[in-house]
Amino acid sequence: QKEVEQDPGPLSVPEGAIVSLNCTYSNSAFQYFMWYRQYSRKGPELLMYTYSSGNKEDGRFTAQVDKSSKYISLFIRDSQPSDSATYLCASQAQGAQKLVFGQGTRLTINP
Amino acid sequence: GAGVSQTPSNKVTEKGKYVELRCDPISGHTALYWYRQSLGQGPEFLIYFQGTGAADDSGLPNDRFFAVRPEGSVSTLKIQRTERGDSAVYLCASSFGTLGNEQFFGPGTRLTVL
Repeated sequence: QKEVEQDPGPLSVPEGAIVSLNCTYSNSAFQYFMWYRQYSRKGPELLMYTYSSGNKEDGRFTAQVDKSSKYISLFIRDSQPSDSATYLCASQAQGAQKLVFGQGTRLTINP
Repeated sequence: GAGVSQTPSNKVTEKGKYVELRCDPISGHTALYWYRQSLGQGPEFLIYFQGTGAADDSGLPNDRFFAVRPEGSVSTLKIQRTERGDSAVYLCASSFGTLGNEQFFGPGTRLTVL
């Protein structure tokens, strides 16, 4: 079993829809949680960063972490075609430097 | 300012050959990371440098893989006796400091072993 599990999709939704992306993790030592966006043939870029449990909002994006259930979510409101990309969740343990990534979910927003 | 750069962008080699992949981190970033991303998968950690030293190389799959960062800036990932299973995108990232600091990724080197 991988430490971070993510449904690879693909996920296809119409423009303007609310998108929900999710991951689960198994390592209780994870304290930092990130969402990266990766366009085709590009490197991942950081979208959201959360420490421990709670919500964080940035524009149309909201990240949620529930450590009791080991569940990580990313919500995208008013989705745009430019949001079409692969979304990667990642976690980092206290005292460790490496990021542990999920498989990535390929998202397409249809105009 | 300039981001993380990686060269070459693409590398095609034959099974058994030796390859070197280069990473130029963001200026001033002390930490440097290598990850490998296979098709349809998320990046997997290979090695992390703090300054010139490899602080964590637990992700290197075997002794055919080696990385250096002799002056604490540019890093080279070296793969000996390449195998078809080594085909992947090799990503480099850098950060200012370590824990809790954003890792900025380069575009990657796409390695194909024939």
